[in-house]
Parts: sequence; structure tokens; C-alpha cells
Amino acid sequence: GENVEQHPSTLSVQEGDSAVIKCTYSDSASNYFPWYKQELGKGPQLIIDIRSNVGEKKDQRIAVTLNKTAKHFSLHITETQPEDSAVYFCAASIGGDTGGFKTIFGAGTRLFVKA
Amino acid sequence: DGGITQSPKYLFRKEGQNVTLSCEQNLNHDAMYWYRQDPGQGLRLIYYSQIVNDFQKGDIAEGYSVSREKKESFPLTVTSAQKNPTAFYLCASSRRRGGDIQYFGAGTRLSVL
Repeated sequence: GENVEQHPSTLSVQEGDSAVIKCTYSDSASNYFPWYKQELGKGPQLIIDIRSNVGEKKDQRIAVTLNKTAKHFSLHITETQPEDSAVYFCAASIGGDTGGFKTIFGAGTRLFVKA
Repeated sequence: DGGITQSPKYLFRKEGQNVTLSCEQNLNHDAMYWYRQDPGQGLRLIYYSQIVNDFQKGDIAEGYSVSREKKESFPLTVTSAQKNPTAFYLCASSRRRGGDIQYFGAGTRLSVL
């Protein structure tokens, strides 16, 4: 069945370094790719998203890249700070009101930023 | 102050008991979802609803039931048939089905006594 693989499961970086999380999806019909950040004891919150007609999107220290041919997308966090420590989830979704609903989440990456 | 409110934050279930988790949203969203989160795993979809009085099973619906009588409310009942209910439960909503941002509540942590 459809799935989203996310790597690594745990990532530890020094404050100020960059962090990269990678996801691969299987359903070629997926056209919306959000990234969520979940802090301890809270619900996930969207931090950035990208649609299939765009190859890259940036928002301050966060960027996402998408390679539709390889069915691969990545989250890049630059100049990491201790408050970036959290669990990050990628997801792949099929958009549009005429299609069936489907959003599949990756298993999550626990990011530790050491001060 | 718009958002999704889940209650209670912590819930304990006795053997053979049904318990209901509340989820309310004031975002005027059509779609609502229930996910289960276990340690080291991603979010697994239990049920979703695209419109009032309609809902569909997700990947792990066995032992759970839902209702959608009002647009803003989507309660989840964990029945006694769910033999391993201990988990973190998340409710979410989105403006439309598929391909849209999901807004999550703060979650309910359910434990078995």
C-alpha cells in the first residue's frame, strides 16, 4: 500500500549547525507535502508545506525541496537553535475536492539541538 | 481565538469501559480527523469525516466509534473492544478534504487502569 518513509528517526546536531530530514513517498498522485513540528505533550503544528508544482520553498531558516521524479522531499533547517528540538513529521497528501481523501504521515524524526 | 479543543487532557479507562474523547473546532472546517499516536510511530488514522452526518473508517478503526452530528464537534469513543487503548489521541481539522493544512488539538493521553 501507499506509505511515506522518513529518515533519520533521530538526529542530533550542535546549535548553529544545519539539520536535514528526508522523506520518500510511494503514491505518484500525491501533490501536497506538509511538514509538522510536534513539541512534547502537544499536537503537531504546520511549519512549512509545498505543492507539486513547486520545487523549493523557503521560510526564514526553514526550507523544503521536492523531487517529483524521485518521489522525494526534504526539510532543511539552518542555524539550528535549542528551541528547534522537537519531533518532525512529513506527510504526503492528494489534494482536490474531486479526489479521495488521503494523507499519509511519516514515522517522525526526533531532532535534538545541543547548546 | 480560533482552534481545536480536545478534552480531557488525561483520561483513564477501566477494564470493559467505554470512554469518549471530545473534539471541538471553531474554524468552520468541513473535514475532521482522529489519529492515534504510539511511541516511535507516526500518526495513524482512526476515523475521518468530510461533512456533517458522514464519516469513514481509517486504517485502525476497530474498537473505536465516532459521530458527526454538528460541524464543530467530532467525538471519539474508545470501546471495550479496543484491547490496547493506551496511546496519545489527536484530533485535527482541515478546510477541505485532502491536500490542505490540518490543524491539530493538544491531544488526549489515554491510559488503562
